[in-house]
Amino acid sequence: NAGVMQNPRHLVRRRGQEARLRCSPVKGHSHVYWYRQLPEEGLKFMVYLQKENIIDESGMPKERFSAEFPKEGPSILRIQQVVRGDSAAYFCASSPRTGADQPQHFGDGTRLSIL
Amino acid sequence: GIQVEQSPPDLILQEGANSTLRCNFSDSVNNLQWFHQNPWGQLINLFYIPSGTKQNGRLSATTVATERYSLLYISSSQTTDSGVYFCAVGDSRLTFGEGTQLTVNP
Repeated sequence: NAGVMQNPRHLVRRRGQEARLRCSPVKGHSHVYWYRQLPEEGLKFMVYLQKENIIDESGMPKERFSAEFPKEGPSILRIQQVVRGDSAAYFCASSPRTGADQPQHFGDGTRLSIL
Repeated sequence: GIQVEQSPPDLILQEGANSTLRCNFSDSVNNLQWFHQNPWGQLINLFYIPSGTKQNGRLSATTVATERYSLLYISSSQTTDSGVYFCAVGDSRLTFGEGTQLTVNP
């Protein structure tokens, strides 16, 4: 059973471009979470999605960032008009349900570098 | 929101030594996980342990939910144990501590 798959592993963008990060959850998992890790820091929650619904986006920056988890296909984290401060590792996690007894399974992350 | 504090922030060991890492959290939670982030940046899930004690080889963890803390024990440390150890707590939204940077020297 494949784990959480994220791609690309590394992404380089110039300031002002768009970045699209993809996450395929563990097969059968319908809950996806995105976290960001700035250099030398811990991970910070960004957004929690179920299929076709955003459940909690309280950690998302108000502008330029969006996330989706369509009925078919991977979850996408989209960053428009990237700036140097967006350089970070972005991790995706999934779980079959939320609440007690539901550990989150993490992917290997996407390292985003902004030139 | 919930606060998570990890100690110590840095730890240097000689190979073969034992260590204990601590995680304190400010509110009751349904989910507590320990992770190891290796030097390549990969996040390895060590334990899902909202309460009780678990063991996996040289590693074990104990969470005392009523007193809001968890401990991660590493015995007979190896150089491959080096990296950052994170505790994360919450429910649907995990809050991570700042981590313990562990260096194991040969």
